[in-house]
Amino acid sequence: NAGVMQNPRHLVRRRGQEARLRCSPMKGHSHVYWYRQLPEEGLKFMVYLQKENIIDESGMPKERFSAEFPKEGPSILRIQQVVRGDSAAYFCASSPHPPGGFEQFFGPGTRLTVL
Amino acid sequence: QQPVQSPQAVILREGEDAVINCSSSKALYSVHWYRQKHGEAPVFLMILLKGGEQKGHEKISASFNEKKQQSSLYLTASQLSYSGTYFCGTAYNTDKLIFGTGTRLQVFP
Repeated sequence: NAGVMQNPRHLVRRRGQEARLRCSPMKGHSHVYWYRQLPEEGLKFMVYLQKENIIDESGMPKERFSAEFPKEGPSILRIQQVVRGDSAAYFCASSPHPPGGFEQFFGPGTRLTVL
Repeated sequence: QQPVQSPQAVILREGEDAVINCSSSKALYSVHWYRQKHGEAPVFLMILLKGGEQKGHEKISASFNEKKQQSSLYLTASQLSYSGTYFCGTAYNTDKLIFGTGTRLQVFP
């Protein structure tokens, strides 16, 4: 059973461009979470999605950021008009059930660098 | 609300023990522990659930004091491979996890 997959692993964008980060959860997992990690800092919750639904987006900036998890295909985290402060590692995790009582499996992350 | 971890950093020699603490100001449903090595993804270590259930690796032990909203991770007879940053994640219901700021552990020969 393949693990959580994220692509690209590294992404370089210039200020003002768009960044699209993809996450394919483990087979059978319908719950997906996105986290942002700045260098030498902890994991900041951004958004929790279940197939076709956003369950909790309380950690996501209200402007420029959006996330989706369509019925078919990977989950997408989209950042429009990127700024230097968006440079970070973005991790996706998945689980077969809501996270409170179950392990989350993390992907390898996408390192976003904004020039 | 982000849980508070202590200490922020620990330095050990192989074979020594360490305890990492995680505390919350709100009633917890569960506490999760992960370890992250530099440049890698976090790796699951253990879940402690309200009511006493635990799920995790054999060589890792932890406790969960529901009354104090605290959890402790016990690392005994440390090995070089234990080095990394340890995060606790707290859940207040069955939904999202909120992770602490991390405890950096370095084990030297």
